[in-house]
Amino acid sequence: DAKTTQPPSMDCAEGRAANLPCNHSTISGNEYVYWYRQIHSQGPQYIIHGLKNNETNEMASLIITEDRKSSTLILPHATLRDTAVYYCIVRVVGTGRRALTFGSGTRLQVQP
Amino acid sequence: DTEVTQTPKHLVMGMTNKKSLKCEQHMGHRAMYWYKQKAKKPPELMFVYSYEKLSINESVPSRFSPECPNSSLLNLHLHALQPEDSALYLCASSPVGTSGRYKVTDTQYFGPGTRLTVL
Repeated sequence: DAKTTQPPSMDCAEGRAANLPCNHSTISGNEYVYWYRQIHSQGPQYIIHGLKNNETNEMASLIITEDRKSSTLILPHATLRDTAVYYCIVRVVGTGRRALTFGSGTRLQVQP
Repeated sequence: DTEVTQTPKHLVMGMTNKKSLKCEQHMGHRAMYWYKQKAKKPPELMFVYSYEKLSINESVPSRFSPECPNSSLLNLHLHALQPEDSALYLCASSPVGTSGRYKVTDTQYFGPGTRLTVL
């Protein structure tokens, strides 16, 4: 699986958009970008995933650059409950490896 | 229903005890996972079950013994643990393609975890 690079921490004001970047410059054509988050001492929660098109769901938007070397997770109106560690994970196809490989993630602190 | 349940929530055990962690899902998922998470670290894979058969063991010590008695249940049996085994143990499940092929878009759903303390 391709490696990802994320900033270790970010702050965001409540009500503002939180933009979390992820670099995956070695991504290959059949790898998806997944985002999970983990609120303190809870299990990781799936947020969104994409291959090359931008994606949106009720939680967030995922913007993937045209060359697919980086992506941004957008929480449009951050709340205090969005304070968590956000993991960007790239998954390869066809290896039979089913599990997720978590990096260090970005600790997002939403400020009141 | 996208819920994975884990029991107990907290467990304290001595190094000579035998205990079990339990995980349950009713989403019809045929892949189930155990992850271990130490404090301030990301989760790390321990085991993967696919169609109730162990498919991946990430070189986990034998004092951890997984079991998948049916498609909804996953257990982790613990025996003679060490204090450094204290961690959050996470269970997850995901669908599998009908052909059994690796399915890249199969989202994993995690349980809340069991916080284990070994004295």
